[in-house]
Amino acid sequence: AAGVIQSPRHLIKEKRETATLKCYPIPRHDTVYWYQQGPGQDPQFLISFYEKMQSDKGSIPDRFSAQQFSDYHSELNMSSLELGDSALYFCASAIGFNTDTQYFGPGTRLTVL
Amino acid sequence: SQQGEEDPQALSIQEGENATMNCSYKTSINNLQWYRQNSGRGLVHLILIRSNEREKHSGRLRVTLDTSKKSSSLLITASRAADTASYFCATDAETSGSRLTFGEGTQLTVNP
Repeated sequence: AAGVIQSPRHLIKEKRETATLKCYPIPRHDTVYWYQQGPGQDPQFLISFYEKMQSDKGSIPDRFSAQQFSDYHSELNMSSLELGDSALYFCASAIGFNTDTQYFGPGTRLTVL
Repeated sequence: SQQGEEDPQALSIQEGENATMNCSYKTSINNLQWYRQNSGRGLVHLILIRSNEREKHSGRLRVTLDTSKKSSSLLITASRAADTASYFCATDAETSGSRLTFGEGTQLTVNP
């Protein structure tokens, strides 16, 4: 069965640079969630989209922005990167809004030097 | 502050023993889910228990939910070395849409 695809899987950036993470949900899934997991931390919710509209917003810095496109894939744009942005970024997809099960992708490991 | 807190933070057992991990949360929930994560890798969904359920089984996993105490436990029976991982509970709160709020996780080590 198809799973959530995230790219790239690993990304190394310098401070103050920009990064774009991509998420391709499972086919027919219309909801995407983004989570950030710092080293030794639990995942923290950043933002979600349902049917290409932002549906919920968590602890996402103003330097970050995200959107969901017409094909339901989503991109997380991160600017003015800081050392503290180094983390594992997960995308999860689901069918519908307010649904039980989210299917997580393998994550993108971002390292900021 | 975290919705979920887990205890213990770390658990080391021998193969064949049972492992019990606990999770507490703060708000009313729609459901509670348990995830497993191997060292720095992806999150694997293990089991979901709804707020109107008290116990659920899946293979060697048993989950209980006590909404009056706002707590849940995950029991892994007859543990194997391959069960070594971090285990997180995650809640879908009634008032926060579908976002998941994760607990701090329990690092389980199963020694062969």
